[in-house]
Amino acid sequence: KQEVTQIPAALSVPEGENLVLNCSFTDSAIYNLQWFRQDPGKGLTSLLLIQSSQREQTSGRLNASLDKSSGRSTLYIAASQPGDSATYLCALVSQGGKLIFGQGTELSVKP
Amino acid sequence: SAVISQKPSRDICQRGTSLTIQCQVDSQVTMMFWYRQQPGQSLTLIATANQGSEATYESGFVIDKFPISRPNLTFSTLTVSNMSPEDSSIYLCSAGTGAEQFFGPGTRLTVL
Repeated sequence: KQEVTQIPAALSVPEGENLVLNCSFTDSAIYNLQWFRQDPGKGLTSLLLIQSSQREQTSGRLNASLDKSSGRSTLYIAASQPGDSATYLCALVSQGGKLIFGQGTELSVKP
Repeated sequence: SAVISQKPSRDICQRGTSLTIQCQVDSQVTMMFWYRQQPGQSLTLIATANQGSEATYESGFVIDKFPISRPNLTFSTLTVSNMSPEDSSIYLCSAGTGAEQFFGPGTRLTVL
């Protein structure tokens, strides 16, 4: 059974720092991997999608990488801002579109 | 991308009653799903909403408790039946046509 683990569970950094969020999974036979952001009490916002044939994707200050052989993905956030404070979720996407989520990393960026 | 709306955004319900949540997508999509997020937890898939046929439920979820309809490619409903306080959660609809999935804002349900 596929399991997704995110480390750390919570992270607090001062504004301006670069940071890395980690996601690991047990079965390398994945379809795609998607990173989301969730603000308290809100729905999910899609940040980046990495298809299984890709190794990374970039959007603005965000860069996500995927290493299927080691079962890992990382989300790199450059020059963090207080507005980046949220919970970040990684999810494995099956061929049928189903998502298997990690427990999330709660990020707090202090001004 | 797809823009997804849900109604209601939140509700407070009495034990034993039922609530139907609506999910509307702004474009035709092939895939629609319903997820549950219990307090302090991540998201768990309830079922795949199949257009014109019965939904496909994940282990631990049954049709009698969570009946789902999907009459067309842009709309689906989830009913939470015979509610108990343990059903208090955020219920989220997701949709997509290919590799990427998009989410609605969620429905926050509190059962007293």
